[in-house]
Amino acid sequence: GQQLNQSPQSMFIQEGEDVSMNCTSSSIFNTWLWYKQDPGEGPVLLIALYKAGELTSNGRLTAQFGITRKDSFLNISASIPSDVGIYFCAGFSGGSNYKLTFGKGTLLTVNP
Amino acid sequence: NAGVTQTPKFQVLKTGQSMTLQCAQDMNHEYMSWYRQDPGMGLRLIHYSVGAGITDQGEVPNGYNVSRSTTEDFPLRLLSAAPSQTSVYFCASSLGWRGVSTDTQYFGPGTRLTVL
Repeated sequence: GQQLNQSPQSMFIQEGEDVSMNCTSSSIFNTWLWYKQDPGEGPVLLIALYKAGELTSNGRLTAQFGITRKDSFLNISASIPSDVGIYFCAGFSGGSNYKLTFGKGTLLTVNP
Repeated sequence: NAGVTQTPKFQVLKTGQSMTLQCAQDMNHEYMSWYRQDPGMGLRLIHYSVGAGITDQGEVPNGYNVSRSTTEDFPLRLLSAAPSQTSVYFCASSLGWRGVSTDTQYFGPGTRLTVL
């Protein structure tokens, strides 16, 4: 099946630092999504990308849909303690159903 | 709206026992799905449904059954639990299934299942 390679697996940063994480795939996706999961909760959608080259922001978060449609990145600027959690990328390759493929996640720890 | 609700929140089973994980949504969403989350594995799709009476397999369907008799409910059944099914299970729903901007998937809070 399709696989998404998400990196890094984990990050430990100081409050105020910027963060960057990315996902790559060997196959093309039509939609890229970025989710955040807080401990003990379900994932919550942060940003959705629908067009190659698209750059979208949501507050301090910025994500881009790669031109090749095989990658996406998420940046978090000026990190704060509540940014702690697991960040997942997910891709949808299109078709008659809506089967999302998820990356394995990036665990972000922010040191106050 | 309550959104996506899941019960129970925690469950411990013995090998061979059966149980049903409940999932309900009150948003009139057509698409519902079940994922399992294991450490270091991300979320993997078990089964999904694009409407009442329609279900299909995802990436890891073995050992699980589903049915969709109503738009609101999408239960996941474990017929004979195995230790390999120890995981956190998430139900999700979305308005549609085309991957467009209105098809945001909303996740429930999860069920933490341990099989001894």
